[in-house]
Amino acid sequence: EAGVAQSPRYKIIEKRQSVAFWCNPISGHATLYWYQQILGQGPKLLIQFQNNGVVDDSQLPKDRFSAERLKGVDSTLKIQPAKLEDSAVYLCASSSQGGSGNTIYFGEGSWLTVV
Amino acid sequence: AQSVTQPDIHITVSEGASLELRCNYSYGATPYLFWYVQSPGQGLQLLLKYFSGDTLVQGIKGFEAEFKRSQSSFNLRKPSVHWSDAAEYFCAVGTDSNYQLIWGAGTKLIIKP
Repeated sequence: EAGVAQSPRYKIIEKRQSVAFWCNPISGHATLYWYQQILGQGPKLLIQFQNNGVVDDSQLPKDRFSAERLKGVDSTLKIQPAKLEDSAVYLCASSSQGGSGNTIYFGEGSWLTVV
Repeated sequence: AQSVTQPDIHITVSEGASLELRCNYSYGATPYLFWYVQSPGQGLQLLLKYFSGDTLVQGIKGFEAEFKRSQSSFNLRKPSVHWSDAAEYFCAVGTDSNYQLIWGAGTKLIIKP
């Protein structure tokens, strides 16, 4: 079974530029998550989708971050304009359904450095 | 509010020695409990999980964890560590009332040759 795919793996941009990350979840998984992980910290949930609807985006900085999952499969996370403090790993994850009793499977992450 | 505490930021053990990583949680009922591992430059991989039943859970890579309700703990153990176990380990907790996982801050495991 293929895992969660993410691209690009690494990105370096200047502040105020924009960046987009792509995620393809495990086939058949209805729930997709984007997490932000700053070095030395645990993951922080940015947004959770159930199919193509947003379940929770309470911690997404909506003035600069946006995410979509148009057909209920792939998803993109965009940052515009980027700030220095956005330097982090952006982890995409999926589970068969929502609810914290379901196992979440993570991609390898997209590592962003803002200079 | 629910919380997860991993008291040790770093732990150093010799290769071949035993390992125990601590995780304590705060929640009134029995939570769903997870341990994930993150190797350098990689995403998070599930080691094991506890939902109900036997309180001693076996996971991948020779890891096990024991749920102790009286201590609100879910400590991760391995009898003999290998150099490849050097990584960061995260404990996470979920509940029926909260569809999000609550994450600990992680424990970085360093292996001495």
